[in-house]
Formats: sequence, C-alpha cells, structure tokens
Amino acid sequence: DAKTTQPNSMESNEEEPVHLPCNHSTISGTDYIHWYRQLPSQGPEYVIHGLTSNVNNRMASLAIAEDRKSSTLILHRATLRDAAVYYCILRDGDAGGTSYGKLTFGQGTILTVHP
Amino acid sequence: NAGVTQTPKFRILKIGQSMTLQCAQDMNHNYMYWYRQDPGMGLKLIYYSVGAGITDKGEVPNGYNVSRSTTEDFPLRLELAAPSQTSVYFCASSHLWGGSYNEQFFGPGTRLTVL
Repeated sequence: DAKTTQPNSMESNEEEPVHLPCNHSTISGTDYIHWYRQLPSQGPEYVIHGLTSNVNNRMASLAIAEDRKSSTLILHRATLRDAAVYYCILRDGDAGGTSYGKLTFGQGTILTVHP
Repeated sequence: NAGVTQTPKFRILKIGQSMTLQCAQDMNHNYMYWYRQDPGMGLKLIYYSVGAGITDKGEVPNGYNVSRSTTEDFPLRLELAAPSQTSVYFCASSHLWGGSYNEQFFGPGTRLTVL
C-alpha cells in the first residue's frame, strides 16, 4: 500500500486558515487522496477526497500537486470545533484490486486551535 | 437515519472471556468494516465485508471472527479475550458499486478493556 507522511502536530489560531500538508511520493495512478478527521472521543468522519484536480466542499478544500506526490488540506477559517486528528489516506481506486474499498490509517496530524 | 450504531459503548472483560461487539447500519451500504484503535495510534483494519455472506481479513484479524448474515449487521466476535485486545473498536460502512465510491461512515466506537 502506498504510504503517506504527515507532520505529527500543527497549531492554529481561531478564524485563521490552516494548511495541513501530506506527502505521498509513491502514489499510483489509481490512488485517490482521502482526508478524514477524528474529533476527541469520536469515530473518524470524512472530510474530502480527490484524484487529480483540486476539490472544494462545505468543510474544506483539497489542493493536489500537479505530480500528485503531495497534497494540502485547507481549512479556510479554523474554529475550535476543528481541533482533531486529521488523516491523509490513499485509497486504491482499482475496482479489481485486492485493496479496493479499504482505507489504511496512519497516525495523522493533531491540529490544535487556539482561541 | 441512525447511521452506524454500535453496542455496547463500554465493556470490561476478564482474560479468556468471550463477547460479541454489535454493529448495525441503516443506510443499505454493501461494505462494512471493523477497526481497532490503540491509544495514540491510527485505526487498523480487523475484518471487512463486501456484502452479506462475504467477509475477508484485514491487517490485524488474529483473535477475532466475523459474520455477515444480513446487509444491516456485522458483529465482531472475540473468543478468548487477551489484554492485547484492550482497545477502542470502530465499525464503519460505505457503499461501493461499479467504481463509484462513497465515504466511510463510522460508528461511535466500543471501548473494551481486558483485565
């Protein structure tokens, strides 16, 4: 499985933008880039995903490098409720592959948001 | 929709005891998953199912068993509890069909302690 590398922790101030980086230099052509987050004492929740183009939704934006070897999750205005562990995950998009549908979680980035 | 529900929320077992962790989803999802999360770590996949009657091992299946007799339910069985199985267990579900992927929805978790 292709691996991702994220910083262990990051800090932000409330109402400021946050850029969470992720490196995935061994990404394959069929790998989707997914982001999930886990709030304290809760199960993970989906944030966003993309393949090649930048993506936006109501929660965040995902900026994908042209060579796809890195990506950045952007929270436009951090709130205290955004304090969580953020996981960058590569998902095999090959429907015939043995890892299709599976997610492999790393340790993620702990985001602290200061008031 | 209730989403993904898990019971119990908490449980303490003695070494050698058995128990079943229950998981149910009401979204008609075909894929279901069981993960465990040790303190300070990311989630690890135990077992998953692509539909009723079909299950397969994940990354850490030893000491666990699963069955999937209906679309809605995916119980996880611990036969001989060991201290190493002390963890938080998350169930998740998603719908994958013909290359179209939707995100995984996670339950609230079961916190299991084996003494």
